[in-house]
Amino acid sequence: EVQLVESGGVLVQPGRSLRLSCVGSGFNFDDYAMHWVRQAPGKGLEWVSGITWNGLTVDYADSVKGRFTISRDNAKNSLYLQMNSLRDEDTASYFCAKDNGYYYGSGTLEDWGQGTLVTVSS
Amino acid sequence: QSALTQPASVSGSPGQSITISCTGTSSDIGSFNLVSWYQQHPGKAPKLIIFEGNKRPSGVSNRFSASKSGNTASLTISGLQAEDEGDYYCCSYASSGTLLFGGGTKLTVL
Repeated sequence: EVQLVESGGVLVQPGRSLRLSCVGSGFNFDDYAMHWVRQAPGKGLEWVSGITWNGLTVDYADSVKGRFTISRDNAKNSLYLQMNSLRDEDTASYFCAKDNGYYYGSGTLEDWGQGTLVTVSS
Repeated sequence: QSALTQPASVSGSPGQSITISCTGTSSDIGSFNLVSWYQQHPGKAPKLIIFEGNKRPSGVSNRFSASKSGNTASLTISGLQAEDEGDYYCCSYASSGTLLFGGGTKLTVL
C-alpha cells in the first residue's frame, strides 16, 4: 500500500523560512515524479511544484517561483519543499502527491498524503 | 498561469446524471490529452478518479467518465449516489511546463 506522510507544517511569521518533508513507502520511490499541491482554508487546490524521478527537472507555479525549492533524496524515500520569504497567502495545507510516471507533466497525481498545515501569521 | 474554469456548484438527485465542465485554453486542455479529475470529501485528501483524459484508475466506479472538446473537458457522473457528494477538481498539464487546477465544483446530491 502506498503511503505518503508529510511533516513540518507549523505557525510561522511572514518573511521566515520553513522546510516541509514527505516520506513515501509502499512503492519504489525513485521510479516516480512527485508533486506538492496546496489548499488554502476553504479554497481550491493549487499545484505548487513538481520534480522528476531523478530530481534533475523541476518546475514551479508562478506564485512561488523564486521563493520555494523542491528537492528529493531517493535514498531516504523523501521529498522536500524549502519555503523562503513566506507570505500570509502561503497559508494552506500542503499535500505531497505521487505521479504515475517519471515526469511530473503527466498531471496524474495518483496517490496523496493527508497534508500538513502551514500558517503564516504575525 | 490562470486556473481552469469550473462551475462553482452542481446538483442532482440520486440516480440522475450530472456533468461538470472545465474550461481552459489552447495552451493547456486544448493542446494535451493530459486532463485529470479529482474527488475530495471534506477534511480528506483528493482522490484521482480520471487521468489522461478518460482513463479510470483501478477501483474507481465506471459511473465516472470524461471527455474533451477543444479547450473544454467534462466529467460525467451517472447514476448519482449520496457518496458522490463532494468537491471535484480538474487538472491539466500546460505548455509552460506546469500543472493547472480548476477552481473546484461542489456537487450536492439532493
